[in-house]
Amino acid sequence: NAGVTQTPKFRVLKTGQSMTLLCAQDMNHEYMYWYRQDPGMGLRLIHYSVGEGTTAKGEVPDGYNVSRLKKQNFLLGLESAAPSQTSVYFCASTPLGEGSYEQYFGPGTRLTVT
Amino acid sequence: AQSVSQHNHHVILSEAASLELGCNYSYGGTVNLFWYVQYPGQHLQLLLKYFSGDPLVKGIKGFEAEFIKSKFSFNLRKPSVQWSDTAEYFCAVRDNYGQNFVFGPGTRLSVLP
Repeated sequence: NAGVTQTPKFRVLKTGQSMTLLCAQDMNHEYMYWYRQDPGMGLRLIHYSVGEGTTAKGEVPDGYNVSRLKKQNFLLGLESAAPSQTSVYFCASTPLGEGSYEQYFGPGTRLTVT
Repeated sequence: AQSVSQHNHHVILSEAASLELGCNYSYGGTVNLFWYVQYPGQHLQLLLKYFSGDPLVKGIKGFEAEFIKSKFSFNLRKPSVQWSDTAEYFCAVRDNYGQNFVFGPGTRLSVLP
């Protein structure tokens, strides 16, 4: 199993450009999440999905959109990138249930917006 | 809304020193608690987790954590740190009925050889 993978690993964008980050998991997990990590702020939830075809806003959703057309993929889109979106983006997944399931993280995407 | 605080922003220790990193959360109901570690340049990995039972939880690499419900705390400990423990440590909470995890701001640990 590859676990959670993210594409690309690095990207540099100019202000106003758009891009899509891809997250894929092969563990048949229901829940998927997108976080951004900034120094001193830990991980902040951008959007999440509780199943195929569903998405919901997290703590910092502005400027981002997501889609979950297939259970194994969760896409994060930036329509018009801004320097404030320079960050490291992590995707995570969790199986369905009320148990003590931890999150499984991808390796991250480092995005710089100039 | 649930929040998680971590007492220390940056901790510097010498090898073989003992470690305790504080974590407090705000939610009063049933929770699942986690400690994650992020080594430089890597993604987050689970160190240990608590969901029920014995409040003293043992994890990988000699780490342990104690859940004290009355104090809303889940502090991470290690009796003797190594240089390889240099990393950032995140406490996280998930309430038993929600889908979301809330992370603390992280504590950076630097272990001097």
